[in-house]
Amino acid sequence: DIQMTQSPSTLSASVGDRVTITCRASQSISSWLAWYQQKPGKAPKLLIYRASNLESGVPSTFSGSGSGTEFTLTISSLQPDDFATYHCQQYNSFPYTFGQGTKLEIK
Amino acid sequence: QLQLQESGSGLVKPSQTLSLTCTVSGGSINSGDYSWSWIRQPPGKGLEWIGYISHSGNSYYNPSLKSRVTISVDRSKNQFSLRVGSVTAADTAVYYCARDRAASMDVWGKGTTVTVSS
Repeated sequence: DIQMTQSPSTLSASVGDRVTITCRASQSISSWLAWYQQKPGKAPKLLIYRASNLESGVPSTFSGSGSGTEFTLTISSLQPDDFATYHCQQYNSFPYTFGQGTKLEIK
Repeated sequence: QLQLQESGSGLVKPSQTLSLTCTVSGGSINSGDYSWSWIRQPPGKGLEWIGYISHSGNSYYNPSLKSRVTISVDRSKNQFSLRVGSVTAADTAVYYCARDRAASMDVWGKGTTVTVSS
C-alpha cells in the first residue's frame, strides 16, 4: 500500500494567515492526489483534485500543487470557516489511501 | 443536485454481518462513468477507503478487510450496498458512501454510525 503522511498533524493559525499543509507519498503517485476538508460531525468535502485542480464552488483562496511524492495545500488567507481537518488521498493505485489528517486550529 | 444517503443497521453484534445501503437521489446511478465508493472513519481516527463498484459492475476492495467485504449495486432502485462479515469492535466507525469520478470523490453522503457491540 502507498503510505500518505501529512505534516503537520496540527496547525494553529489566525484569520488572515497564509498556511501550507504538506502531504508526502511513500512512492510516486504522479498527480493522482485529492484534498478534502472535514468539519466535526460532517462528511469530507472535496477541495482539490488531480493535485492542483480547484473543485467547483471552492474559494480561490485554496490551491494545491505538487507531483510525484510531495504535495501541498495552501490557503492564502484564512477565513473563520476554514478551521477544520484536512485530508489528502492518493488515487494512483489500489487500495486508495488517505493521510492521517491535519487539524487546523484557531490560534 | 445529486444526493447520497446511507441507511442500515446502526448496532451490530460481534461476528455478525454489517449491512448498509446508499440511496442516490437527484440523478441516476447509471449516468456518467462514475464508480460508487464506501469509506469509513473510526472514532477519532482518519479515513479508510473500503472499496468501490465501478460503472461496469467491477468491484475493488481494500485488502485490509480481506474477504469480509462485498459491494453490490441495484440499478433499478438507484442504490448500492455494503456488507462486511465477521465484524469486530474494530469495525465500529462512521460509514460514508460517495461518488467516485476517477480522480476524487466529489459527492458524499452524510455518514452513518455503526457500532459493533454485544
